[in-house]
Amino acid sequence: DTAVSQTPKYLVTQMGNDKSIKCEQNLGHDTMYWYKQDSKKFLKIMFSYNNKELIINETVPNRFSPKSPDKAHLNLHINSLELGDSAVYFCASSLGLADYEQYFGPGTRLTVT
Amino acid sequence: GIQVEQSPPDLILQEGANSTLRCNFSDSVNNLQWFHQNPWGQLINLFYIPSGTKQNGRLSATTVATERYSLLYISSSQTTDSGVYFCAVFYSGGGADGLTFGKGTHLIIQP
Repeated sequence: DTAVSQTPKYLVTQMGNDKSIKCEQNLGHDTMYWYKQDSKKFLKIMFSYNNKELIINETVPNRFSPKSPDKAHLNLHINSLELGDSAVYFCASSLGLADYEQYFGPGTRLTVT
Repeated sequence: GIQVEQSPPDLILQEGANSTLRCNFSDSVNNLQWFHQNPWGQLINLFYIPSGTKQNGRLSATTVATERYSLLYISSSQTTDSGVYFCAVFYSGGGADGLTFGKGTHLIIQP
């Protein structure tokens, strides 16, 4: 009965590879997000996706691209992985932007070797 | 962009003690949330509290939006309260619309 789920939970890959992380929410929410938590546990917004509009944090490299096949899913694709991409990635969802509570998935720990 | 500062950064307490965690933010916000990140890395929603006071069991929170701060109170601490407590506010600007997090308070409850 998980509200926001992510797969895989752990992902170990080599530099230069392309990988994807899947996110699904069963809350009926209209807005989804991706956040990155670095090794110092600092959490930062990467993308928000609301009513088919994607808003990108200006600091996110264009190697990262979210794709939403439908309202319940927002998958994260990463091309040409670099060592600095190693982090925990969290997906989240909310009813809408700004005035709504966000709910987070369990996170995906990405390790790039 | 908006600044979110949490204090103290670290806190070590004995089981049964009470604590107050503080979150200051630099601009008006529509949304403020408190999270607990447990030792397994899960982000657990504690409160959605853009203003006012809420209570949930041993935890309570107060946000004074006009003075730009929020407080999280933990009473009768248990070892399972250990982890990192994050305050986050919704901010539109600098690109993506999403939560801006503080650096967290790392709480250790000793038996």
